[in-house]
Amino acid sequence: GAVVSQHPSWVICKSGTSVKIECRSLDFQATTMFWYRQFPKQSLMLMATSNEGSKATYEQGVEKDKFLINHASLTLSTLTVTSAHPEDSSFYICSANKPGADTQYFGPGTRLTVL
Amino acid sequence: GNSVTQMEGPVTLSEEAFLTINCTYTATGYPSLFWYVQYPGEGLQLLLKATKADDKGSNKGFEATYRKETTSFHLEKGSVQVSDSAVYFCALSTGGFKTIFGAGTRLFVKA
Repeated sequence: GAVVSQHPSWVICKSGTSVKIECRSLDFQATTMFWYRQFPKQSLMLMATSNEGSKATYEQGVEKDKFLINHASLTLSTLTVTSAHPEDSSFYICSANKPGADTQYFGPGTRLTVL
Repeated sequence: GNSVTQMEGPVTLSEEAFLTINCTYTATGYPSLFWYVQYPGEGLQLLLKATKADDKGSNKGFEATYRKETTSFHLEKGSVQVSDSAVYFCALSTGGFKTIFGAGTRLFVKA
């Protein structure tokens, strides 16, 4: 099956700093990737759709200036949490479309803790 | 808008018990329906899917049937194992692969 990786798997940072999370499709090219946020014991909430070579599409209520998404290649999308605060602590998960497949492939997630 | 509603958990069962996790959806058009599973400390994995009405998805002893008339996609397994303990998410997807997830149902299976 298709493989999607995320790096780092967990990160702890100080309030006010920025954190970059990478999402890679390892064995296929993905023109579209998705970023989700999952709070403890809750469901995944779609944050944005990342399109290779163009601007990301953000869901209502998601601050685009705070959650910067860059999809610079067909195998890599990055999410940067700028000026992170404790309320940004969460589990961030990406997924990618594999061409020809009718489902998404999910990364293992990145746990962000902001102190 | 599109939405997914699934039964609240946690669900606690003894090994070899029958499992049902209810899921209903609201959607315009004809969505594809999915069940994802999240084991402790891991990411989501696709468990099964159905892309049109009356399709039955099945995998690892789990199955779910796409019921358009009742807008449901209930997950069932005849005999659960301790290793099935996880969180199960019902989801739907329309064109463009934008996926809407239910709140998740945590399953505990006791030996």
